[in-house]
Amino acid sequence: DAGVIQSPRHEVTEMGQEVTLRCKPISGHNSLFWYRQTMMRGLELLIYFNNNVPIDDSGMPEDRFSAKMPNASFSTLKIQPSEPRDSAVYFCASSLRVSGNTIYFGEGSWLTVV
Amino acid sequence: AQKVTQAQTEISVVEKEDVTLDCVYETRDTTYYLFWYKQPPSGELVFLIRRNSFDEQNEISGRYSWNFQKSTSSFNFTITASQVVDSAVYFCALRLFNFGNEKLTFGTGTRLTIIP
Repeated sequence: DAGVIQSPRHEVTEMGQEVTLRCKPISGHNSLFWYRQTMMRGLELLIYFNNNVPIDDSGMPEDRFSAKMPNASFSTLKIQPSEPRDSAVYFCASSLRVSGNTIYFGEGSWLTVV
Repeated sequence: AQKVTQAQTEISVVEKEDVTLDCVYETRDTTYYLFWYKQPPSGELVFLIRRNSFDEQNEISGRYSWNFQKSTSSFNFTITASQVVDSAVYFCALRLFNFGNEKLTFGTGTRLTIIP
């Protein structure tokens, strides 16, 4: 079975450019999470969706970040404009919304903003 | 608010030695779930185990074993006869299941290096 699929795997972009990260959750999963990993802050939740509806976006750093989930099989995380401090690994994850169910992670999108 | 503490930042052991990774958690909820994930050098996060708060039975899977003790709020992970392939960063995590609070809260991770 296919796991969580993220694209691009690696992206290098210049400061000020728009960045769009994409995610396809595991088929049948109805919860989707975006996490960011940095050396300074570790793994932190940016936003999560249940049944395509954003539930908690308190981790989104600022208005430059936005996330959408137009349907059950696709989500995007957009940064506009990007800044060097946005350089991080961005993980998408999904789970079936059942009590305590395991959250499975994609391989991550490694973003470098120069 | 929940919290997960992994006090060991880095551990190095010689191959074939046993090693235990510590995890201490904090939550006021009585229903919660504990997880361990492995992050190898390639960077992905690999699920290892899930435990719910009502099941304190220890678990063994091959060379891996987990010790869950509610009395000390700990969920420790032991690797027996370590191998070089075990070198990775290991994360302990806690998950509640309250509407609006279903995220995984991660510890800061323990970097394990197995020396051949």
